[in-house]
Amino acid sequence: AQSVAQPEDQVNVAEGNPLTVKCTYSVSGNPYLFWYVQYPNRGLQFLLKYITGDNLVKGSYGFEAEFNKSQTSFHLKKPSALVSDSALYFCAVRDPRWGGGGATNKLIFGTGTLLAVQP
Amino acid sequence: DGGITQSPKYLFRKEGQNVTLSCEQNLNHDAMYWYRQDPGQGLRLIYYSQIVNDFQKGDIAEGYSVSREKKESFPLTVTSAQKNPTAFYLCASTLAGHLSTDTQYFGPGTRLTVL
Repeated sequence: AQSVAQPEDQVNVAEGNPLTVKCTYSVSGNPYLFWYVQYPNRGLQFLLKYITGDNLVKGSYGFEAEFNKSQTSFHLKKPSALVSDSALYFCAVRDPRWGGGGATNKLIFGTGTLLAVQP
Repeated sequence: DGGITQSPKYLFRKEGQNVTLSCEQNLNHDAMYWYRQDPGQGLRLIYYSQIVNDFQKGDIAEGYSVSREKKESFPLTVTSAQKNPTAFYLCASTLAGHLSTDTQYFGPGTRLTVL
């Protein structure tokens, strides 16, 4: 089955410390992976994606993610956390199954990880 | 959120009523999507449309209906058949529905509450 797991419901980190938000996936074929951030009562904002190439992907607001094929992981990282990074983070993978007569851009989302950065 | 608008921001519905949520995009994207978000469950796909006048059911389509008469618009109707409609509804779009590397961009969402 195609799936995404975010094993931590919440991650707590002190401001200035490095942060990691974990994501593992299970899909057939090559994975196309995404990270989004959501602030309260807002839509999702795109942070970064991995399609192919370098395993370290750099994105918005100083975030980066490391693709690890052997561990089927795509963890989100930031060297120095800010209080303003506190939000809900979602990992997603493109659904490889076809629908409506062709490949689609359907995404499978994890359940989200709440990041709390303490001052 | 830029380029995709959803209205209203908050919506209250009485039991037995149908309500329609609006989603408009000015990004010239071909594909549009509707998701439902519930606490602790992530996002679940309701319907998607890869091109005008065509749409497909997602994972939780029961009790919902959509139309795609114009490229820029993808309204979602929550019918009285939806047993638990209280949720946060998110609309998204991508440049082309068939290109798997495209990024989905999201609107600001509509919070629906059944009274």
